[in-house]
Amino acid sequence: AQSVTQLGSHVSVSEGALVLLRCNYSSSVPPYLFWYVQYPNQGLQLLLKYTTGATLVKGINGFEAEFKKSETSFHLTKPSAHMSDAAEYFCAVSYTSGTYKYIFGTGTRLKVLA
Amino acid sequence: EAGVTQSPTHLIKTRGQQATLRCSPISGHTSVYWYQQALGLGLQFLLWYDEGEERNRGNFPPRFSGRQFPNYSSELNVNALELEDSALYLCASRARQGGTDTQYFGPGTRLTVL
Repeated sequence: AQSVTQLGSHVSVSEGALVLLRCNYSSSVPPYLFWYVQYPNQGLQLLLKYTTGATLVKGINGFEAEFKKSETSFHLTKPSAHMSDAAEYFCAVSYTSGTYKYIFGTGTRLKVLA
Repeated sequence: EAGVTQSPTHLIKTRGQQATLRCSPISGHTSVYWYQQALGLGLQFLLWYDEGEERNRGNFPPRFSGRQFPNYSSELNVNALELEDSALYLCASRARQGGTDTQYFGPGTRLTVL
C-alpha cells in the first residue's frame, strides 16, 4: 500500500542553522510529491511540488526539496532557519492508480530557537 | 486569482446540534476535498466531491455528509455533534483537467462542540 512517512514529529533548530525535514514515500506508480506549511490556526500553504523533470525543486520562503527515486525520499531543506519558519510541515504524495489518491504524512512541527 | 474560501471562520455548537460548513473552490477547479484536523491527529480525509458527485469518503460515520453544488462550491454537514468533532475543518480544491494534481487549501473552519 502507498504511504508517506515523515521522520520526527518535532524538530528543533537554532536560528541560522540548516533545516532538514525528512519525507519518505512508498508508491508502486510514479508519484507527484508536495510539501505544505501550516501556521497556527491556518490552512495549509503549498511550499513546493515535484511532478516531472528536474529533481531539485525550489519553493517559497527559501525552501527546496530533492526527489531521490532510489531512496524514495523527498526531504525538505533550507540553508538558514528564521524564526518565522516555525510551523508544521506536511509532506504529501499524489498518484493515479485506478482512482486519484492524495496521501499526507503525519506532519513535523518545526521549532526555531533564538 | 482568489483562493479557496471557507465560512464561517469559527463555529460554536452544542452536543447533538447540526453544523454546516461551506467552501468555495478556486475558479475553474471542479474537485473539492474535506479534511478534519483534530488536535494531535494530523489530517484525516473526510470527503471528495467532483462534478457534483461524491467520489470517495474517509473512515467517518454517516452523520458526516455533504454535497457539491453546480457552481462547484461545497457544503459539509455534521449531524448529531459529539464533543470529539471539535476540530479544524479544511477544504481543498483541485483542477480536474490540466493540473498537476495539486490541492490548494482554504483557511479552515474551527468547529467547537460544547
